[in-house]
Amino acid sequence: EIVLTQSPGTLSLSPGERATLSCRTSQSVSSSYLAWYQQKPGQAPRLLIYGASSRATGIPDRFSGSGSGTDFTLTISRLGPEDFAVYYCQQYGSSPVTFGQGTKLEIK
Amino acid sequence: QVQLVQSGAEVKNPGASVKVSCKASGYTFSGYYIHWVRQAPGQGLEWMGWINPNSGGTNYAQNFQGWVTMTRDTSISTAYMEVKRLTSDDTAVYYCARGDVQKSLDYWGQGTLVTVSS
Repeated sequence: EIVLTQSPGTLSLSPGERATLSCRTSQSVSSSYLAWYQQKPGQAPRLLIYGASSRATGIPDRFSGSGSGTDFTLTISRLGPEDFAVYYCQQYGSSPVTFGQGTKLEIK
Repeated sequence: QVQLVQSGAEVKNPGASVKVSCKASGYTFSGYYIHWVRQAPGQGLEWMGWINPNSGGTNYAQNFQGWVTMTRDTSISTAYMEVKRLTSDDTAVYYCARGDVQKSLDYWGQGTLVTVSS
């Protein structure tokens, strides 16, 4: 099983700032089958990024993903008030599918 | 538009079973796997497994093998997930999600809260 470790656990930033979230995997993720999800309280997760760097339908271009192998990053270039949420990475290249433990992005 | 609509909240006694449904619309049901993911209160996301609506084939996470069953009814574009022998540890929101080979879980149901309490 591939273990995903996200850092930091909590990130405190102000609107307008840049956010950088990290996801490290215990083994190389095949074909960059790495996704990022956003989850707000009381809502289902929403797909942001798939294939490590491709934005899902309707996702603003301030969200970007990068990385390969075992190190991946989600960057939010300029935080809007609606971006404060919990973010999860997920690998789907090998079974079982696994998620990171999440990074909470909170307003400073 | 793609939609996954799940059944409503359930309250169950320990030892009982629960069956959650997930009705798909807006796309060809047999063309995409349905995954199930659960989230205990205040916790992260835990993948449970998937079902291939076309063949009925399943793949369960090891933690759920033997007490979770995923099925489907293609005539009504609905997937089901049954959990047997419920304990308080199974109290969680259960989500279904459409699985795309390239895009992973691109559409999600609204979630079903299952509460296990005596």
